[in-house]
Amino acid sequence: QQQVKQSPQSLIVQKGGISIINCAYENTAFDYFPWYQQFPGKGPALLIAIRPDVSEKKEGRFTISFNKSAKQFSLHIMDSQPGDSATYFCAATNRPSYSGAGSYQLTFGKGTKLSVIP
Amino acid sequence: EAGVTQFPSHSVIEKGQTVTLRCDPISGHDNLYWYRRVMGKEIKFLLHFVKESKQDESGMPNNRFLAERTGGTYSTLKVQPAELEDSGVYFCASSQYYTTSHEQYFGPGTRLTVT
Repeated sequence: QQQVKQSPQSLIVQKGGISIINCAYENTAFDYFPWYQQFPGKGPALLIAIRPDVSEKKEGRFTISFNKSAKQFSLHIMDSQPGDSATYFCAATNRPSYSGAGSYQLTFGKGTKLSVIP
Repeated sequence: EAGVTQFPSHSVIEKGQTVTLRCDPISGHDNLYWYRRVMGKEIKFLLHFVKESKQDESGMPNNRFLAERTGGTYSTLKVQPAELEDSGVYFCASSQYYTTSHEQYFGPGTRLTVT
């Protein structure tokens, strides 16, 4: 059972356009929703993250929109650039039952391969 | 500061053989995680160490996988004997333990191909 569903699988956007990637989750215990960016040959790197007590978070050209009632969140990349071409993963995590600060298992979506064409 | 490193970057082995993957976390990071991405699927959690202790190994697929973190520094993940379905990219990630940040720092991964 896939706990975080991500779409689309691939996305082609023209330079300057808006890229939108959507995710939906099932586990209501999730309380932290990061997006990871992965370039070929590299590991995933944290891009931006949001907690469910806010509906939107913006960092530069990247914005997360969060809808708690619908259990959905999305990544918007404004003014998309060829350098944004990468695979993007949404993820979710929750505080584990055992004690320990900063001990969080990530549940990932399947990833979206974004290509920004000049 | 050096990031998370993994060795080897690629490994091709035959079914039934043994392979050992290594992960060196960022210095000072007590949390160490192993994840795996099978082609076309999501990145899945395998297990979590806090220092040398296995905190959560609920994602380990079966007893052919053995993870160790002796001394609380680097970690190894051994697959013995390897099966075709073990093919995929194995990621290691590390993070600080006493922190309010959730950020996990990932290594570049080891691509394992079992033929």
